[in-house]
Order: sequence, then C-alpha cells, then structure tokens
Amino acid sequence: DQQVKQNSPSLSVQEGRISILNCDYTNSMFDYFLWYKKYPAEGPTFLISISSIKDKNEDGRFTVFLNKSAKHLSLHIVPSQPGDSAVYFCAARGFLIQGAQKLVFGQGTRLTINP
Amino acid sequence: DSGVTQTPKHLITATGQRVTLRCSPRSGDLSVYWYQQSLDQGLQFLIQYYNGEERAKGNILERFSAQQFPDLHSELNLSSLELGDSALYFCASSVGTSTGEQYFGPGTRLTVT
Repeated sequence: DQQVKQNSPSLSVQEGRISILNCDYTNSMFDYFLWYKKYPAEGPTFLISISSIKDKNEDGRFTVFLNKSAKHLSLHIVPSQPGDSAVYFCAARGFLIQGAQKLVFGQGTRLTINP
Repeated sequence: DSGVTQTPKHLITATGQRVTLRCSPRSGDLSVYWYQQSLDQGLQFLIQYYNGEERAKGNILERFSAQQFPDLHSELNLSSLELGDSALYFCASSVGTSTGEQYFGPGTRLTVT
C-alpha cells in the first residue's frame, strides 16, 4: 500500500525554467510534508517542509504547495539550476499505532536540468 | 556533510550470513532512524531509537534487530540474509522524537549473493 506516490520517475527541465515535482498521498491523517533531495552516493538532504494547516511555504527558489482536498503537493523550483539535478523524495509524517511518528516516503523523481 | 556517519559504505556477503551496520548520529541528536531503500523504491522506515530506547517500529523483519548504545551510536543487525535484503540502508538522526527534519548518513550498500 503506497500511501505517498510520486508518479513521475523522471523529469527533464531546461536551465532557468521552472521545475515542478508532484506528489500524491492517500492518508488524510498526515500532518506534515517534507521534500528531500538526494545526490548519488549521498544520503537524502532536507529541502523544505509544510504543515497540513498551510497551503504554501516558500524558501528562496523553492516553494511547496499543498492542496489538501486533492491530497496533492508539489515542489516548484524557480529558476532551475544545473546543481538542482538530483532525485527528489516527497515524505509525509504519519502516526503509528503506539502514538509514535514515522515518515512515509515516495519513490522519488529524478530531476535533470539541461543547460 | 550531514554529520551522520555510517560504516561500512559497502558490504558484500552470502545468503544465510549475518551483518552489522553502524551509525553515529549528529552531535546532540538523540533520535536515530533506520531506513531501507531497495531498487526503485522509496525509503522504507524500519525502526527508531530515542536516547537508547526503541521508540517506533516500521516494516522491520524479525530477522533484523537494532540497538542504540549509551554513546548514542546505533547498530542494525541483519541475520539469515536473503537475496532480497540487498539494498541501501540509511541511518538518520534528529534532536527529538518528532520526525520532521531528519539528517541522513551516506548509507551502506548491502549486496547479498
């Protein structure tokens, strides 16, 4: 049961243009969403997050949008730069039966920025 | 550099064997999380320790176990290894128990032959 889905395995964008990465989720109890970025041979790095009570959060070139009714979030990168080429993971915070929390990750989208 | 270290970087072993993966969290972080990433899969949460005690359990097999020591480093033990256990294993850490932002290590690539 894939509760967090990134339906595009890859995305190619021209340098300077906007990159839009999408993520869908099924569990309405998720209360916090995060994006992580991963370069080859490195662990994921936290990028930006958003609480479920908000619909937008911005940090420099990165903006995350949350549409709760559609259970959809997206990450916008403007303008895209070659260093943005990486795999991007969407993650959602959920709760386990014993009250503890865990992150549920999507499968990732490989973003390639072309010069 | 996230400040989280993992050893070894690569591990090749045979089916039926047992291995131990090691993780040192960032200085000051009390929580350690273990994740498994198989081919073309997202990261699957395995287990969390907080200040030496098990805090949360995810999709961890009974053949796998973990512990966190008084110096806060953690070990993930994988036994009776099967071919399907081949994966990247990541450790992450955070200051508290809230699993918002986590800092990931570079991972250990396990290959079972």
